[in-house]
Amino acid sequence: SQTIHQWPATLVQPVGSPLSLECTVEGTSNPNLYWYRQAAGRGLQLLFYSVGIGQISSEVPQNLSASRPQDRQFILSSKKLLLSDSGFYLCAWSVVLRGRREQFFGPGTRLTVL
Amino acid sequence: AQTVTQSQPEMSVQEAETVTLSCTYDTSENNYYLFWYKQPPSRQMILVIRQEAYKQQNATENRFSVNFQKAAKSFSLKISDSQLGDTAMYFCAFINRNNQGGKLIFGQGTELSVKP
Repeated sequence: SQTIHQWPATLVQPVGSPLSLECTVEGTSNPNLYWYRQAAGRGLQLLFYSVGIGQISSEVPQNLSASRPQDRQFILSSKKLLLSDSGFYLCAWSVVLRGRREQFFGPGTRLTVL
Repeated sequence: AQTVTQSQPEMSVQEAETVTLSCTYDTSENNYYLFWYKQPPSRQMILVIRQEAYKQQNATENRFSVNFQKAAKSFSLKISDSQLGDTAMYFCAFINRNNQGGKLIFGQGTELSVKP
């Protein structure tokens, strides 16, 4: 079965510090991978998605960047965090199974920037 | 541009009763999927139910069912025999089947409270 891991689960960082959130997927190959941010318990905003190693598409201009060094690893980074980067970050993966596209989410990382 | 709208920010229902959450979407595509996700207080996103646009039959998963009206671009979720564990944020989502990136477009969510 497929599993998605995210770490850390929670993170408190000062403004101006760097950030690295990691997401790994097990039990599948060549998935599409996604980073979402959810602010204040409301809608999800797609930040980045990747259809393959080294391929990153950015959905919104921002202070963050993403990388995919391996097929099942997706990293969200920042060189200098802003207060507005606080939020709940969700990693997701999707593949086409039995002719249908399925998307599943990781457990999320709660980031607080002080 | 494709959009998903959930017009009910909050709803409440008594335990064991039935509740319907609304969702409308806008697209010029003909081939797509629709989803309802549940996000309980743990904040884990859980897929509740899925509907393929080419299927006329409404999807059903145990106590959860949808009313899919393709012409009206409406996709409501009905929860029967509501349970306390159904308390969560519910998100409606859309994906274009031909979208190579497989990007989901989400509504803003409906916060459902099931009261004992």
